[in-house]
This record gives sequence, C-alpha cells and structure tokens, in this order.
Amino acid sequence: AQTVTQSQPEMSVQEAETVTLSCTYDTSESDYYLFWYKQPPSRQMILVIRQEAYKQQNATENRFSVNFQKAAKSFSLKISDSQLGDAAMYFCAYRSLPRNQFYFGTGTSLTVIP
Amino acid sequence: EAQVTQNPRYLITVTGKKLTVTCSQNMNHEYMSWYRQDPGLGLRQIYYSMNVEVTDKGDVPEGYKVSRKEKRNFPLILESPSPNQTSLYFCASSLRAGQETQYFGPGTRLLVL
Repeated sequence: AQTVTQSQPEMSVQEAETVTLSCTYDTSESDYYLFWYKQPPSRQMILVIRQEAYKQQNATENRFSVNFQKAAKSFSLKISDSQLGDAAMYFCAYRSLPRNQFYFGTGTSLTVIP
Repeated sequence: EAQVTQNPRYLITVTGKKLTVTCSQNMNHEYMSWYRQDPGLGLRQIYYSMNVEVTDKGDVPEGYKVSRKEKRNFPLILESPSPNQTSLYFCASSLRAGQETQYFGPGTRLLVL
C-alpha cells in the first residue's frame, strides 16, 4: 500500500508570514493525484489544493501553493500571508488511480500566532 | 445545496450492539467512500464503492460492512461494535472513480463502551 508521511506533527507561524508544510509519499505508480486538506476545529474536511502527477507545473490557489517534486516524491504546501483562519490540522493525501483508493498522512497541526 | 450528509452525528453505544451510520449525497456521484480518523493516524479508508452494487475494501475493513443499493446512499454497518471502533467517521463522494475532488460529510463521532 502507498504511504504518506507528514513529519511535522505541529507547526506555528506568525500572522502574515509564510509557512511550508512537508509531505512525502511512497509509490511505484506513475499516475496519481495529490491533495492537501484542511480540517478546522469543526472537523469538516476542506480541500485546499490538488496536484495531478502528470502535470509538471505546481498548483496554486490564491495564498496556497505546492512544491511538487515527483522524482523525490515530495509534495509540500506553502501558505503565504498566513491568516488566523488558516489555523487547522492539514492532511496530505494521495489518490491511487489504478486502485481508486485514498491514503492520508497523519496530519500537521498549524497554529497561527497573532 | 450540494452536500454529503451523515447520520447520526454523535453516537454512544455498547459493545456488540449492531449499528448503522447512514451516508447520503445529492450530487449523483458514482464514487463513495468511508474513512475513520484516529489521533496520530490520520484518515484511513475503510470501504469504497465505484458505483451501485460495486464495493471494495480499503485499508481497514475488518469489523465493518457496507452496501450500495442506491447511487445516493452508502451506509456503514458495524455488526458487533467493539471499543477499538471508537472513532470519528467520515463519508465522502466524488463524481467518478477517476474524478479527483472528494466531498466530505460532516463526520460521525462514535463511542463504543
């Protein structure tokens, strides 16, 4: 089975600063999707950003961007101009297209300091 | 409003008492899935369904059953719950199996005594 590793259980950032959350994954597949989900205290899972493995260009969604390094199997999330509302648990996730299964990391808890 | 609903949202039960958590989506999605979330373990996929009458095991299927008799519904059944099934459960759906965006339900918090 694929594994997704988030090595930073907790991170903190000053408001308006930039923070990068790390994610690595292990796979032998060539076709897959990668995601970052945000889970605020409400526990709702919210899609932040997604990346198709076949695309070389890094995905960007407003203040959120990724650094996708396919050969290194690395998928980090950069949050620019951090806001108090960004405080949440962030999960990295991998979708296997051949097997139609999802694999999640263990999460990184992000604190935003006013 | 497009959404995934789960019921109940909170449930306390005792060991061995069969229970069902319902999941319904109103987006005509083909792919549906169940996850459990435990501290330090992230989300783990229990079962998924590619379409009506098509289900398959995820990473942690032991102790769970599912059915997909209608496209919109995907109930999770615990025939004989045990305390190690105490968890936060999420249902999710996406348009097709290859369609990457999953929509999650609000979660069901289950406590098995």
